[in-house]
Amino acid sequence: EVQLLESGGGLVQPGGSLTLSCVASGFTFSDYAMNWVRQAPGKGLEWVSSLSHGGHSTYYADSVKGRFTISRDNSKNTLWLRMNSLRAEDTALYYCAKDNYGYPSTFDFWGQGDMVTVSS
Amino acid sequence: QSVLTQPPSASGTPGQRVTISCSGSSSNIGSNIVSWYQQLPGTAPKLLIYNNNQRPSGVPDRFSGSKSGTSASLAISGLQSEDEAHYYCAAWDASLNGLFGGGTKLTVL
Repeated sequence: EVQLLESGGGLVQPGGSLTLSCVASGFTFSDYAMNWVRQAPGKGLEWVSSLSHGGHSTYYADSVKGRFTISRDNSKNTLWLRMNSLRAEDTALYYCAKDNYGYPSTFDFWGQGDMVTVSS
Repeated sequence: QSVLTQPPSASGTPGQRVTISCSGSSSNIGSNIVSWYQQLPGTAPKLLIYNNNQRPSGVPDRFSGSKSGTSASLAISGLQSEDEAHYYCAAWDASLNGLFGGGTKLTVL
């Protein structure tokens, strides 16, 4: 059974930093791309970032480019999202999502999400 | 304003067939695969349709997807009360930026 467990969220001041983690189990982590998708309170889904299976190709939404960094450690089955220079508009529930291919394609399994609140 | 356009709401009675549209452009839907996600209240999204019209195992065949040109559709036949949820289409653009539609809230009357 595929499981994705996010952690690291919380309350942070504008301009601050936070790192989200996603620990995966139930599949061969190194075979699949991984993604982050967020959902602001009461709003729709927004793609944030993707990382190829080997970790060599990264993709970012324009809204986070230059501020967020996606990374992974295939030996630890773990995905991260380092978020710097956080803004109020980054407040959202952040989902870790497994892909069904080695490069970004389809979000076939999702974690339960981790809340990030940016506020003073 | 989402690049992929969905109607904000849809409704139907139990047993009916409803369709939800997703309109894009040649640089996204027109040249890449479409997937659909169901989000029940208070839960994480779930994959419903991938590769335009494929169902993952466990998804009832009441759900079907199609794509034509720069638009895609999700059809739900034999509507049930448990289908009441938000539905999102998704695709990639030419630069491999992920795109979601704004979402459609389906109400079962």
